[in-house]
Amino acid sequence: DQQVKQNSPSLSVQEGRISILNCDYTNSMFDYFLWYKKYPAEGPTFLISISSIKDKNEDGRFTVFLNKSAKHLSLHIVPSQPGDSAVYFCAAIKMNSGYSTLTFGKGTMLLVSP
Amino acid sequence: KAGVTQTPRYLIKTRGQQVTLSCSPISGHRSVSWYQQTPGQGLQFLFEYFSETQRNKGNFPGRFSGRQFSNSRSEMNVSTLELGDSALYLCASSLGWREGYEQFFGPGTRLTVL
Repeated sequence: DQQVKQNSPSLSVQEGRISILNCDYTNSMFDYFLWYKKYPAEGPTFLISISSIKDKNEDGRFTVFLNKSAKHLSLHIVPSQPGDSAVYFCAAIKMNSGYSTLTFGKGTMLLVSP
Repeated sequence: KAGVTQTPRYLIKTRGQQVTLSCSPISGHRSVSWYQQTPGQGLQFLFEYFSETQRNKGNFPGRFSGRQFSNSRSEMNVSTLELGDSALYLCASSLGWREGYEQFFGPGTRLTVL
C-alpha cells in the first residue's frame, strides 16, 4: 500500500513558466512533508518542507502548498529554469513514531526546456 | 561540514555473492537510514540506525542487514545476491527524529548484479 503517491511520472515546462508538481498521501498521521530533488548519479537533495499544521511554505522560487482535507500537496517552482530539470520526490514523516523514516513517492521527472 | 559519503560508488557482483556497502554520516548526525532506488519504484526504505541500534526496518528479506558503529558510520550487507538487487543504494543521515527530521543523502552506491 503506497502511502505517498506521485501520479505524474513526468512533466515538461518551458523556461520562465510555472512548474507544479503534485503529491497525494493516504496517512493522516504524517507530521511533515518534504520535497527532494535528484539529478542522475547523485543522491537526493533536500529542497523544502512543510509542517502538517501549515498550508504554505515559501523559499525563494519554491513554494509548497498543503491541503490537509484533500491529503494533497504541491510544489510550485516559479520561474522554472533549465537547471531545475531533475526528478522530484515527495516524502513524508510521522514524528511520533520515534523514527526518522521518510516515506517517499515514486518521483516526477521535470524537464524545463529553454 | 563534509556531506554524507558512501563507498564504493560503483560495484559489480555476480549472483550468489555477498556485498558490504559503507556510509559515513555528516558529523554530529546520529541517525543513518538506507534506501534502495530502482527504476519505477522510487526510494524504498531498508532500515534506520540510531546510536548503534536498528530503530526501524522496511519490508526487505533477511538477506539485507546493517549495522552502525559507535562513530555513527554504518554498513549494509546483502548476502546471496540476486539479479533484482541491482539498484542504487542510498544512505541518508539526520540529527534524528526530535532533533531534526531532514535527511541528507549521500551520492549512493550503484550495485550491478550479473
